Amino acid sequence: AQSVSQHNHHVILSEAASLELGCNYSYGGTVNLFWYVQYPGQHLQLLLKYFSGDPLVKGIKGFEAEFIKSKFSFNLRKPSVQWSDTAEYFCAARGSSNTGKLIFGQGTTLQVKP
Amino acid sequence: DTAVSQTPKYLVTQMGNDKSIKCEQNLGHDTMYWYKQDSKKFLKIMFSYNNKELIINETVPNRFSPKSPDKAHLNLHINSLELGDSAVYFCASSRWGQNTEAFFGQGTRLTVV
Repeated sequence: AQSVSQHNHHVILSEAASLELGCNYSYGGTVNLFWYVQYPGQHLQLLLKYFSGDPLVKGIKGFEAEFIKSKFSFNLRKPSVQWSDTAEYFCAARGSSNTGKLIFGQGTTLQVKP
Repeated sequence: DTAVSQTPKYLVTQMGNDKSIKCEQNLGHDTMYWYKQDSKKFLKIMFSYNNKELIINETVPNRFSPKSPDKAHLNLHINSLELGDSAVYFCASSRWGQNTEAFFGQGTRLTVV
């Protein structure tokens, strides 16, 4: 069955610390991968996406993610977090069925302490 | 201009009532979705429509009835509301096919009392 798993449910960091959030997916065939962010009380915004090509993708606000096909992983990274990065982070995947259906991971709550 | 807009943002209602949530997108997309986010913040797709045609119906109770009058609108009507329907409902839209991204509305927080 198709699934997305995020390893960290709640992460607490101090400002300027480095961030890595894990995401693994279980899909057969071609997969599109996404990271969305949800700031408190707001809608989901796309941080970055991977469709094909360079496995290292850069997104907004200094975030990047690396697609490692052999590990079925798409981990999110940021070298130095800010207090404003406090939010919920969701990894999502879409298979090749063309229905557009996104399957989300459980989400990771990131709390950055000033 | 808001790309995907939902109304209302908050909805508090009693059990047994019928309510609707509206969604509109101005991105020119041909595919729209409803997702439900539960109290643990887990997001799960409920429905998707492509060019007004129902594509996905993910084992949602038939008290939930989506309606797409045109490609830019996807409404969600819920009959006989139950306590367990309390959640945040997100509308989203995208272009049909692979290698496209979905844009989400701001969500509707439904509270059934």
